[in-house]
Amino acid sequence: GAGVSQTPSNKVTEKGKYVELRCDPISGHTALYWYRQSLGQGPEFLIYFQGTGAADDSGLPNDRFFAVRPEGSVSTLKIQRTERGDSAVYLCASSLNSGRGLETQYFGPGTRLLVL
Amino acid sequence: AQKVTQAQTEISVVEKEDVTLDCVYETRDTTYYLFWYKQPPSGELVFLIRRNSFDEQNEISGRYSWNFQKSTSSFNFTITASQVVDSAVYFCALGSGNTPLVFGKGTRLSVIA
Repeated sequence: GAGVSQTPSNKVTEKGKYVELRCDPISGHTALYWYRQSLGQGPEFLIYFQGTGAADDSGLPNDRFFAVRPEGSVSTLKIQRTERGDSAVYLCASSLNSGRGLETQYFGPGTRLLVL
Repeated sequence: AQKVTQAQTEISVVEKEDVTLDCVYETRDTTYYLFWYKQPPSGELVFLIRRNSFDEQNEISGRYSWNFQKSTSSFNFTITASQVVDSAVYFCALGSGNTPLVFGKGTRLSVIA
């Protein structure tokens, strides 16, 4: 079946603007995760959804970052007042159940965000 | 806190050579899982293996093999007879039921024809 999809694949914005990044998980997967990957680094956890609710948002760097998953499927990561330091690849992953770090997570291709 | 260390930043080998990628982890959890992912130039993380903390048997899948040793907190990955298509960044990761997945910084493998 289809894997995790993310749109857009690339996003260029100006400092101070608002952006939305979308993730469509594997059908039937109840858990959804957002990560941020900076150049030369491994992915860093941002937020984890179990169904519609955010079960762990401890990785969000500040209150400019917010994510929703209103119907328990598609998720949107929202960044307000973007800063140049927000430039990174934003990865989305999903897993079948809600085992957090115990389950295999399947990743999407990522959205490359560049803030000018 | 959970931590994963991949000390090798970059490795370069000639095709058909064997190569081992090192992974050392730290955790206080007794139940945890270890993972390896491959990130080719296209950017998408591809799942390779998942191993639980109670299973120390080594695993082989084709040219890939994994050596899990709890005594040294290591989960090393060996590619036998490397090929150009193996060129990628490889990430080791650690997860548990209480914490999110934690990744190492990755090892960039270049296989030269």
